[in-house]
Amino acid sequence: GAVVSQHPSRVICKSGTSVKIECRSLDFQATTMFWYRQFPKKSLMLMATSNEGSKATYEQGVEKDKFLINHASLTLSTLTVTSAHPEDSSFYICSAGTGGDEKLFFGSGTQLSVL
Amino acid sequence: AQSVSQHNHHVILSEAASLELGCNYSYGGTVNLFWYVQYPGQHLQLLLKYFSGDPLVKGIKGFEAEFIKSKFSFNLRKPSVQWSDTAEYFCAVNAGLSGGYNKLIFGAGTRLAVHP
Repeated sequence: GAVVSQHPSRVICKSGTSVKIECRSLDFQATTMFWYRQFPKKSLMLMATSNEGSKATYEQGVEKDKFLINHASLTLSTLTVTSAHPEDSSFYICSAGTGGDEKLFFGSGTQLSVL
Repeated sequence: AQSVSQHNHHVILSEAASLELGCNYSYGGTVNLFWYVQYPGQHLQLLLKYFSGDPLVKGIKGFEAEFIKSKFSFNLRKPSVQWSDTAEYFCAVNAGLSGGYNKLIFGAGTRLAVHP
């Protein structure tokens, strides 16, 4: 089946630094990618919808200047957490689909810890 | 705004027991509903989905779910669980205007532990 690769799986960084997370669709072209955030024992919260070649659409309450999303190609979307702070520590998951009724495939997630 | 509520955060069962995980959503319009499963150390995977038609939906691995519109519910069931069903289960509803798999809103998840 289709595979979405997310990298890195785990990252620890110092407060104030930026971290980039990559999401790749390995065997299909993803016109749309979604970025989620999951707090411990909480649900996945949709952060933004990323469409290839256009600006991402952010959900209410998500700071677009802090969580930069780039979807430069049909197989790659990146999420950059800028000037990370301890409260940004979380599990981030991407998903990719071809739109419509096609399946949505999930990456394995990235555990971000900001010290 | 749409929301999804899963009633049980943690369920413990013995093998061969029957399973029912509750899911309720809040949205008055047409919805697409999903159950996803995440086995330990693995990606989220689609178990089953409801778009339209027969409200009793059958998914993989013997799971089924019933859409009851009047109750805004989409409960997941399995008649006899196995140890390999140990996983976290997420109910989701679409929030996108285009429907389908876009902009899924997830419940908090239910962690199922099945003991041999």
